[in-house]
Amino acid sequence: GAVVSQHPSWVICKSGTSVKIECRSLDFQATTMFWYRQFPKQSLMLMATSNEGSKATYEQGVEKDKFLINHASLTLSTLTVTSAHPEDSSFYICSAREITQTGELFFGEGSRLTVL
Amino acid sequence: SQQGEEDPQALSIQEGENATMNCSYKTSINNLQWYRQNSGRGLVHLILIRSNEREKHSGRLRVTLDTSKKSSSLLITASRAADTASYFCAPDLTGGGNKLTFGTGTQLKVEL
Repeated sequence: GAVVSQHPSWVICKSGTSVKIECRSLDFQATTMFWYRQFPKQSLMLMATSNEGSKATYEQGVEKDKFLINHASLTLSTLTVTSAHPEDSSFYICSAREITQTGELFFGEGSRLTVL
Repeated sequence: SQQGEEDPQALSIQEGENATMNCSYKTSINNLQWYRQNSGRGLVHLILIRSNEREKHSGRLRVTLDTSKKSSSLLITASRAADTASYFCAPDLTGGGNKLTFGTGTQLKVEL
């Protein structure tokens, strides 16, 4: 089955630093990837839709300059949390849809960010 | 904003029993998908049912869809302790730009 790899799986950083999370589709091409964040015991909140070769589409209330998304190739999207603060601590999950499919999403294992 | 709402929020059953979870949504769909999430992990796709289908099976999973009521149900038969997880429905909305949003899920606990 299709595999999405997310890295790092966990990261601890100091307040004010930037953190980059990578999302790779390992055995398929994905024109579209999605980034979610999840607080403990809560639902996944869609942050943005990442489109290969174009600007990401952000959901309402998500700061574009805070959460930089780059989708440089059909297999890689990155999320950079800039100038991270403790309130950015969360579980970030990416997902991808295969280029030929319009159905299921394949999810990465998530990245737990803790900002001190 | 979330498009699917799961019910109940939590469900605790004994191993071997069946577990039923429900999902309601608000607008027309292309399909509806069910996902599972183990604690601290990513989501795993379970099953997709298209808008013109009424029932679908996959192993111990049975999904129904009633587009007139805008609702779906997920039945897990002969549950196992390993089925303990959160379950989410995700309606793929018509004109929704192929993005999926999730509700708060049903937290299923299967006890030995």
